[in-house]
Amino acid sequence: SQTIHQWPATLVQPVGSPLSLECTVEGTSNPNLYWYRQAAGRGLQLLFYSVGIGQISSEVPQNLSASRPQDRQFILSSKKLLLSDSGFYLCAWSPANPNQPQHFGDGTRLSIL
Amino acid sequence: QKEVEQDPGPLSVPEGAIVSLNCTYSNSAFQYFMWYRQYSRKGPELLMYTYSSGNKEDGRFTAQVDKSSKYISLFIRDSQPSDSATYLCAMSSYSGGGADGLTFGKGTHLIIQP
Repeated sequence: SQTIHQWPATLVQPVGSPLSLECTVEGTSNPNLYWYRQAAGRGLQLLFYSVGIGQISSEVPQNLSASRPQDRQFILSSKKLLLSDSGFYLCAWSPANPNQPQHFGDGTRLSIL
Repeated sequence: QKEVEQDPGPLSVPEGAIVSLNCTYSNSAFQYFMWYRQYSRKGPELLMYTYSSGNKEDGRFTAQVDKSSKYISLFIRDSQPSDSATYLCAMSSYSGGGADGLTFGKGTHLIIQP
């Protein structure tokens, strides 16, 4: 069966510091991968989407970036965090074949001080 | 007008009751509809996945989609305290979300009273 892992589960970072969140998927190949942010009182917002290694689409202009160095690895990064980057970051995957839904990891709760 | 409207609750019902959760949407291109359950400090867990209009049943859960009214519902029968969570509706124009991802409602916080 397929599983998705995110780490760390919780992170506290000072303003201006860098960020690296990692997501890996097991039990499937060539998945579609997604990064979402869930802010308090707001719905999930799509940040990045990837259909393959090195292929990243960005939905929202921001100081965040994403990379996909391996087929089942998706990384969310920032060079300098802002207070507004606080939130719950969720990685999701869906199979490459059609008519299949997205499945989510357990997220990283990021607090910026 | 927001793309997906969902009453945030909280919705509190006694154990054993039938729960009805709803979302309305404005984008007629949406064809794929999902319900996720999210416990505190956890990621969303897929409950139901439906395509186009109609009903789908899985155990105590029934999902309904009415594309003509742009209205979707999730019914929970014989509700249990373990059903207490936030329920998110989600929808997309493409299966799996595609480049647009999923469009979510803000979630309804459900409380089942023992």
